[in-house]
Amino acid sequence: DSGVTQTPKHLITATGQRVTLRCSPRSGDLSVYWYQQSLDQGLQFLIQYYNGEERAKGNILERFSAQQFPDLHSELNLSSLELGDSALYFCASSANSYEQYFGPGTRLTVT
Amino acid sequence: DQQVKQNSPSLSVQEGRISILNCDYTNSMFDYFLWYKKYPAEGPTFLISISSIKDKNEDGRFTVFLNKSAKHLSLHIVPSQPGDSAVYFCAAPDNNAGNMLTFGGGTRLMVKP
Repeated sequence: DSGVTQTPKHLITATGQRVTLRCSPRSGDLSVYWYQQSLDQGLQFLIQYYNGEERAKGNILERFSAQQFPDLHSELNLSSLELGDSALYFCASSANSYEQYFGPGTRLTVT
Repeated sequence: DQQVKQNSPSLSVQEGRISILNCDYTNSMFDYFLWYKKYPAEGPTFLISISSIKDKNEDGRFTVFLNKSAKHLSLHIVPSQPGDSAVYFCAAPDNNAGNMLTFGGGTRLMVKP
């Protein structure tokens, strides 16, 4: 158990809809990272927050957004969903080190 | 442009033998590398790391070797056990982007009893 929790574990929704994925980092970790794992793209970095502020952005679509709240949990919002957004979404947290600890992921299926 | 590559999508090894997983990188700015193990339906689990100031780091059955001139690292598992069967990813943090991890495509290791 990494100490990082993600909800929900599975999500099935229709094209055009909007969903919110939630992540609680390990106790004391200020950094939260979001990654997407799809079959053809591997693990791709989306966005990072540090203590409530956006720190780095990867190949995140404009339809996607995230935030980190004062209690350090983070949410990833995906809107106008397309079939190609079906993937595993992982959240990871880190203290002031290179090692990131991953949650169990949310499997999103868009139908 | 893949900055971190794992050219072997799969590897099959007999229990008790050595497993060697390889990883190549192109970005000479990378100075730290990590290996993660991933079981189905779980998130990646941190396994072992190495800084570029070292050429070897060992933790129990797991040893990572780094060859900076060749931009190559490898993970050795000795002896391999059936429970080691998983997908292994190498990754490198980008110091200029909040230490986001750039991952290789992964190698699926199968250890046969």
